[in-house]
This record gives sequence, C-alpha cells and structure tokens, in this order.
Amino acid sequence: DTAVSQTPKYLVTQMGNDKSIKCEQNLGHDTMYWYKQDSKKFLKIMFSYNNKELIINETVPNRFSPKSPDKAHLNLHINSLELGDSAVYFCASSHSTANTGELFFGEGSRLTVL
Amino acid sequence: AQSVTQPDIHITVSEGASLELRCNYSYGATPYLFWYVQSPGQGLQLLLKYFSGDTLVQGIKGFEAEFKRSQSSFNLRKPSVHWSDAAEYFCAVGPFGSGSARQLTFGSGTQLTVLP
Repeated sequence: DTAVSQTPKYLVTQMGNDKSIKCEQNLGHDTMYWYKQDSKKFLKIMFSYNNKELIINETVPNRFSPKSPDKAHLNLHINSLELGDSAVYFCASSHSTANTGELFFGEGSRLTVL
Repeated sequence: AQSVTQPDIHITVSEGASLELRCNYSYGATPYLFWYVQSPGQGLQLLLKYFSGDTLVQGIKGFEAEFKRSQSSFNLRKPSVHWSDAAEYFCAVGPFGSGSARQLTFGSGTQLTVLP
C-alpha cells in the first residue's frame, strides 16, 4: 500500500487550461501539504491543511486552489495554467502533534505546460 | 529567519568511495535537522534526523550525519557509496515541537552521481 499517493503522475497541457492533481494518504495523519519543486530542484511549500482547515497559504497565485474534503485527501486545482507553472508538485503529510517533524511525501506529479 | 545552504550542487564519486555532503544552517534556536533523499522519479524519503543528544546520528541505508553547533553544520556521510545511492539529497531545518513539520525549510539539494 502506498502511504501518500498522487494522481496523475504526469500531466501535459496547454496554457490557459485548468487541471487538478489529487492526493490521498493512508497514514492516519491530520496534516497535508502541497510543495512545488522547480526545475532547479528547489522545494517550496505552497499550502498546508490540518483537519481540512487551511493553515499555511504561502504567496501563491489565486489560480491555485487547494481543497481538502477530509483529512486523508488534499487536491490541488490550477486555473488558467501558465508556462511558469511547469514543475513537479509534491503532496506530503504529517501528524500535527508529532514532534518528529517528519514529512511523508508522495511520488510527485510532473506538470508540463506547453 | 531560518535558512539552509547546501554548497555543492553536484557531487560525483566512484562506487565504493566515501561520501560527504555539506549542509549549513541558520536558525535562531536549537534546530531540528533532517536529511531527505529523492531517488529519480520518487518523492522525498527521510534518511535521518537530529534534535539533541549524541551529535553523530545514524540513519537508513548506512548513512550518518554529524551535528556541529560551532560550525552550524550537519554534514551527511557514508563510508562506502553504492550505485543505488545516486539521487538528490536535501538538508532541512525546523523547530522542534508540535507541528514542526509545517515549518521545515529545505536546502536546494545536492545531486549525487555514482560512477561504476
């Protein structure tokens, strides 16, 4: 069983389109995240949800909208895709009360905007 | 503000050789330090972490790291590299305590190439 799973793994689309990436975790964690990894491998947090509530919202364009239907799922919807949105998007999860600081990552979703 | 610097963008070693990946951090309090590994096409996986106690910590896959407070460093080492170690390695720093995972700052990564 995959602990943190994301779909799709690859996404190729045209500028201006809208796309979604889904994430599910079966670890029983209550906090989930979206990270963006750019072409230089720099990893930057975008959003974090705790028990379906948005707790971190970094400086991200409004075109990006996360949605958490329950604490095991966190989806990312992107409107009006731009070339600069091309990146690998990672979903991750953790337990909010854990002191370990460990994040559990999905395998990533590579988005290519043409 | 906390920050992490990984000075080496890319390192190449021969299989069987020793390895050291550098990590320097800036943090106002006692840091919680991590090394993650990202194999090609995979997500990040935790190798090891340090908060307190023995400054030499052991991780998975034969890796270890040493915390040196005076140098603000947390370098990753392995005595003998295997071809399967080829990957991207990320150092991260954050606070210790509840919710610490939300406040991790990652370095820019070091790409490791292993020659046969």
